[in-house]
Amino acid sequence: AQTVTQSQPEMSVQEAETVTLSCTYDTSESDYYLFWYKQPPSRQMILVIRQEAYKQQNATENRFSVNFQKAAKSFSLKISDSQLGDAAMYFCAYRSKYTDKLIFGTGTRLQVFP
Amino acid sequence: AAGVIQSPRHLIKEKRETATLKCYPIPRHDTVYWYQQGPGQDPQFLISFYEKMQSDKGSIPDRFSAQQFSDYHSELNMSSLELGDSALYFCASSLETNQETQYFGPGTRLLVL
Repeated sequence: AQTVTQSQPEMSVQEAETVTLSCTYDTSESDYYLFWYKQPPSRQMILVIRQEAYKQQNATENRFSVNFQKAAKSFSLKISDSQLGDAAMYFCAYRSKYTDKLIFGTGTRLQVFP
Repeated sequence: AAGVIQSPRHLIKEKRETATLKCYPIPRHDTVYWYQQGPGQDPQFLISFYEKMQSDKGSIPDRFSAQQFSDYHSELNMSSLELGDSALYFCASSLETNQETQYFGPGTRLLVL
């Protein structure tokens, strides 16, 4: 069975600085999808970025980028120029090509200080 | 852009009562997913539907059932509610041509007393 591990329960960053959130996963599959979702205090789940496993190029969405290391099964999220609105719980998630379910990690709570 | 709509947003029930949660996917999305997020936990997949047929099933209790209707909206029916059913219930939707990406609704917060 696939698992997702987020080893950092909490992280903090100063406004305008850069922070990296870690995520590792375990799977025997070669084709899958990875995601980062953001959950602010409103509890809404917001898609931040996605990565297809067959793509070697790391995904980027404005200030958000990933470092996808397929061999190491690592999928970290880098947030550049951090803003107060980035403060939230961040979940890393895995989806197999063959099932519907997203498998989430336990989340990393990010605090942003002015 | 239109998002996933869930109703009600908040629901309070007594033990052993029933509850029905509704989900209206993003227009043109044909697949819906249900997740349960307990306090301080990550979301857990319950069930999914594509074109009104059950597509995948996760850790959904036998007391729960769900269906998708011809207009693609979905309902999650929960019976014999227990205190442990108190949670945030998310519906997500996706488009067949982009099935891997699920867009979440705001959730229904269920409290069982």
